[in-house]
Order: sequence, then structure tokens, then C-alpha cells
Amino acid sequence: SQQGEEDPQALSIQEGENATMNCSYKTSINNLQWYRQNSGRGLVHLILIRSNEREKHSGRLRVTLDTSKKSSSLLITASRAADTASYFCATDAWGAQKLVFGQGTRLTINP
Amino acid sequence: EAEVAQSPRYKITEKSQAVAFWCDPISGHATLYWYRQILGQGPELLVQFQDESVVDDSQLPKDRFSAERLKGVDSTLKIQPAELGDSAMYLCASGAPTGVGEQFFGPGTRLTVL
Repeated sequence: SQQGEEDPQALSIQEGENATMNCSYKTSINNLQWYRQNSGRGLVHLILIRSNEREKHSGRLRVTLDTSKKSSSLLITASRAADTASYFCATDAWGAQKLVFGQGTRLTINP
Repeated sequence: EAEVAQSPRYKITEKSQAVAFWCDPISGHATLYWYRQILGQGPELLVQFQDESVVDDSQLPKDRFSAERLKGVDSTLKIQPAELGDSAMYLCASGAPTGVGEQFFGPGTRLTVL
């Protein structure tokens, strides 16, 4: 079963624009993580935000977390062609002892 | 930079055959995970090890799937017999125990069952 739901399922933008992806989840969490997956490859960890944090930055990435709405967003600023990939949120729910991944957002950056 | 190793990268087999996948986690990582990822979906946890012990195998189809991590280092995931619906990417990851930090993924094994 998948706890997280990403929105949109697919996103296509021009290089240089900002990309925003959203994740909603169902139960209380310990932390939420975002991963990137290039086509046919393994996942790469991008950022982890804990339940007591509201915003976190890493380079061109900005993640927000709203535990009252059970939602998170990932913003990629000044997008590049190399950002083309699938992006997944993963939640570590209280008591679950495992990460549960969403369906992912497929991001395409057009040159 | 240390990486999670997986082999083979690709496997094509016929249904009813046995297949096995191997994973070598990052040195020192006590926790090892096997995931299955169907095309277009997110990874789904099959089994989680803490050292050589299974922590969670609730989503592992135990009638045909088995996993072991005998010495608490590398791990093998086996499917016998393979079915058409097993075609997927099998990902291995290692890292801190859930609730602490990130997981490090290997490149995966793409399984095609004919």
C-alpha cells in the first residue's frame, strides 16, 4: 500500500523555470523524505524533513512540511535538463518502522 | 564514495524458473532493505534486515520469495518459481534504521519474466 500521493503525476516545464511537486499522506509521521530516480536507475536521497520542522533548504531544493494538512512540497528552482527524473516522497510513519513511497512525479525539463 | 552494489543489473527468465539477486550494502550499514518497483509506481518494501535478522517481511510473498543475510553483510533475494507478474525492478538499499535517516539505493536489478 502507498501512503503518499504525489501531485501532479507528470510535469513538463522549460529549463530555468521552477518546478513544484506536492505530496500528501494519511497518518502521523516521524519524518518525510524526498528521493530522485533517473530512468532505469536506483533512487538518490535528496532531503529529509522531520515532523517538527516546517521548511528545509538544500542548494536549489526547498521542502516544506505542513503536518496539520498532512502534506509536503518540493520546489526545484532554476531547473536544469539534468533535473529530468521521477521524484518520490517517502514517509516514515510513527510505529510503522519502514518508509512508504508515493507513486512519484515524472518531471521533464525541456531545453 | 561508498555505494550499494547489486547484481545482475538485468535478468530475463521464463516463468517457473528460479532467479536470485545479490546485494552488497555500504560497509557498516546494519540495516538492509529489498524493494520491488513496478514500472510507473513507487518502490514497495519486501523485506527489511537488521544485521542478519528479519525485521519486516510482511509484504514478501513467502510462497515463492525468500531472502537471507546470513552473516549480516550481503544479502540474496530469491524467487522460485518466477511468475509473469514478478517482472519489475528489484532495488536494494542500506542505511540507518527507519526513523533515523536516509537510505542508500543500489542501481537495481531489472527482472523480465517471459
